[in-house]
Amino acid sequence: EAAVTQSPRNKVAVTGGKVTLSCNQTNNHNNMYWYRQDTGHGLRLIHYSYGAGSTEKGDIPDGYKASRPSQENFSLILELATPSQTSVYFCASGRTGAVDTQYFGPGTRLLVL
Amino acid sequence: GEQVEQLPSILRVQEGSSASINCSYEDSASNYFPWYKQEPGENPKLIIDIRSNMERKQIQELIVLLDKKAKRFSLHITDTQPGDSAMYFCAPNNAGAKLTFGGGTRLTVRP
Repeated sequence: EAAVTQSPRNKVAVTGGKVTLSCNQTNNHNNMYWYRQDTGHGLRLIHYSYGAGSTEKGDIPDGYKASRPSQENFSLILELATPSQTSVYFCASGRTGAVDTQYFGPGTRLLVL
Repeated sequence: GEQVEQLPSILRVQEGSSASINCSYEDSASNYFPWYKQEPGENPKLIIDIRSNMERKQIQELIVLLDKKAKRFSLHITDTQPGDSAMYFCAPNNAGAKLTFGGGTRLTVRP
């Protein structure tokens, strides 16, 4: 099965602080995605990437940056964290140009105080 | 981006009965129609999918129906069990491009 890992799994941050969430995949997938999921709700796309060096804005990019330094790694950066960014963040990977599923990481629970 | 409507948002059924969830989309280029199941505290996992060249697919108690003309597809769980209680999401898409997930359906199967 596809392997997507995230770190940290849990994070408590202070308002105004910088937070970096990391994602690593060993599937050699070109596409990677960051979603947030608020309690009892669906997944909303923040940023995604088609490959190393590429980042694209998703549906809710404000307040977030992304970085894709390599095929395997995709980071989500909150430069100035706010309490409204308290959520569960999921990373996912998928193949380019293939009608195929996405594989999700285990999620990161972020609490911004 | 793709507009996806998933209904109902909450579904409660009795054990042994059937549960049905519907997903409507707007992008006529969508050609891949997956359903994900998410259990509490877990990540979403693919449970069944259908491609645009099919109208029906069944894996054990899971059935997916696709109506491309109407731009909708549905998930049917026959003979529901308490273990089927979870959140379910549809995510119609086109060859790995940006996905838009439906808002989710919280299914509760009562013993």
